[in-house]
Amino acid sequence: EIVLTQSPGTLSLSPGEGATLSCRASQSVSSNYLAWYQQKPGQAPRLLIYGASTRATGIPDRFSGSGSGTDFSLTISRLEPEDFAVYYCQQYGSSPPNTFGQGTRLEIK
Amino acid sequence: EVQILESGGGLVQPGGSLRLSCAASGFSFSSQAMSWVRQAPGKGLEWVSGINPPGDHTNYADSVKGRFTMSRDNSKNTLYLQMQSLRAEDTALYYCAKVRDYGDWRFYFDSWGQGTLVTVSS
Repeated sequence: EIVLTQSPGTLSLSPGEGATLSCRASQSVSSNYLAWYQQKPGQAPRLLIYGASTRATGIPDRFSGSGSGTDFSLTISRLEPEDFAVYYCQQYGSSPPNTFGQGTRLEIK
Repeated sequence: EVQILESGGGLVQPGGSLRLSCAASGFSFSSQAMSWVRQAPGKGLEWVSGINPPGDHTNYADSVKGRFTMSRDNSKNTLYLQMQSLRAEDTALYYCAKVRDYGDWRFYFDSWGQGTLVTVSS
């Protein structure tokens, strides 16, 4: 089973700043099959990125994904107030199961 | 517009059973693989199970294998999760999700319902 470790656990930033969230896999993720999700309090997760770098439909271009192999990143170029949430990465390169990282909480500083 | 609505959650005693339902619309349900994902209170996401479009193949996380059964009724655009021998650690918000399937049960989750809460407690 591939274990995904996200860092940092919590990131405190101000609106307008840039954010970089990390997701490290315990072994290489096949075909860079790595997705990112955003979850706000009381809401379901929302798909942001799939295939490590492809934005899902309707996702603003301030969100970008990068990386390959075992190291992946989600970058938010200019934080908007609505971006403060918990972010999860998920690998779907090997199965079962489709494993998630433990999450990074992005909070307002 | 894709719409996914879960129902059937509630309070159940350890060892008990519960059946969750998931009504879907806005896409070709019978052509889509589907999945359940759960989230324990204050915790992260855990994939639970998946089902192929015809409903004749399913797959489960080790944590629920042998206790949970996933099925679907394509004539009703509805997904089910029959849960038996429930344990306290099954307490979670259960999400139904539409997936993009890459074969061999590898998928990401592109649309989610709002979830239904299952609480296992005496």
